[in-house]
Amino acid sequence: EPEVTQTPSHQVTQMGQEVILRCVPISNHLYFYWYRQILGQKVEFLVSFYNNEISEKSEIFDDQFSVERPDGSNFTLKIRSTKLEDSAMYFCASRSGELFFGEGSRLTVL
Amino acid sequence: KNEVEQSPQNLTAQEGEFITINCSYSVGISALHWLQQHPGGGIVSLFMLSSGKKKHGRLIATINIQEKHSSLHITASHPRDSAVYICAVSWGGTSYGKLTFGQGTILTVHP
Repeated sequence: EPEVTQTPSHQVTQMGQEVILRCVPISNHLYFYWYRQILGQKVEFLVSFYNNEISEKSEIFDDQFSVERPDGSNFTLKIRSTKLEDSAMYFCASRSGELFFGEGSRLTVL
Repeated sequence: KNEVEQSPQNLTAQEGEFITINCSYSVGISALHWLQQHPGGGIVSLFMLSSGKKKHGRLIATINIQEKHSSLHITASHPRDSAVYICAVSWGGTSYGKLTFGQGTILTVHP
């Protein structure tokens, strides 16, 4: 069965460092998304990406965040200068029709 | 702003019991999603509904657009059904994946 894969599964970083979370969406999917879930809280939408550009973003997705599809397979989320409050589980998802989620990348900022 | 409320927040059941999880939302939507979050954190999409009812194995999802309400039913529950079940809504088109999530229902099924 096709799946969305995310790396790393867990990353620990120091406050102020840049972090890149990577996602490999399902190969024929055209729409890509990032979500995050702070421990104990609801999952939140961050950004949607289609046709090589951001189609929608939430208030959370400020200038510290960026997304990129550097090649035909990867979809990345970059956090330029991490803060303590960026500690969360980050989920990538992709869709053609049905939405498929990755297993998540847990980011811990110390 | 669309709010999504789930009930109950926690649910404990004995194996074999019929389970219902409810979801209400405040604004008209294009689609409603039921998701399952594993103990390890990964999310699996169970259903996407825009009207009526869908069934997959022991899982049944219904939606009432007029009442802005959806239910997820699990028949003959099993300990492996233990997970967090999340309701999320979207508005379709380019906003399809811009989901607003409920807080989740923690289901524990005892053998």
